[in-house]
Amino acid sequence: KQEVTQIPAALSVPEGENLVLNCSFTDSAIYNLQWFRQDPGKGLTSLLLIQSSQREQTSGRLNASLDKSSGRSTLYIAASQPGDSATYLCAVTGGAQKLVFGQGTRLTINP
Amino acid sequence: DTEVTQTPKHLVMGMTNKKSLKCEQHMGHRAMYWYKQKAKKPPELMFVYSYEKLSINESVPSRFSPECPNSSLLNLHLHALQPEDSALYLCASSQENYGYTFGSGTRLTVV
Repeated sequence: KQEVTQIPAALSVPEGENLVLNCSFTDSAIYNLQWFRQDPGKGLTSLLLIQSSQREQTSGRLNASLDKSSGRSTLYIAASQPGDSATYLCAVTGGAQKLVFGQGTRLTINP
Repeated sequence: DTEVTQTPKHLVMGMTNKKSLKCEQHMGHRAMYWYKQKAKKPPELMFVYSYEKLSINESVPSRFSPECPNSSLLNLHLHALQPEDSALYLCASSQENYGYTFGSGTRLTVV
């Protein structure tokens, strides 16, 4: 059974810092890994999708990497801003159309 | 159109009421999903429809009844709910290699 773990559970940093969120998964047989952002009480916004054949994806200040063999992904956020404050969820897709989520990292960027 | 639209955004219902949640997407995705999310937890899968047929039911109580009238629409019919069913209900759609797209959710309160 696939299990996804995100570390840390919560992170608070001052504005302007670069930061890394970590995600690990137990079964390397994945199709995709997707990073989402969720603001309180809102839906999930897709940030980056990494297909199993890819090593990384970039969008603006965000960069996500994938190492299937070690079962790890990282989300790098450059020059953090207060508007980046949210919960970040990592999720992997294996077989059977099931998206398996980590517990999330609650990120707070302090002005 | 790259969105999943959910209505209503908020719903308050009594335990004897019957109500429906609606979800619509026009991205041509052939898989659609219902998720339930409690506070500070990741989304939990409820149902999966693939090519308009129910393919996964995660042992959801029968007071939740999904329906997929066509490839763009997904409904969730609610009847005789309990207060513990209060949660954020999220709809999503997916297409292979394109990841998942989530709606903004319906905040359901059962009184």
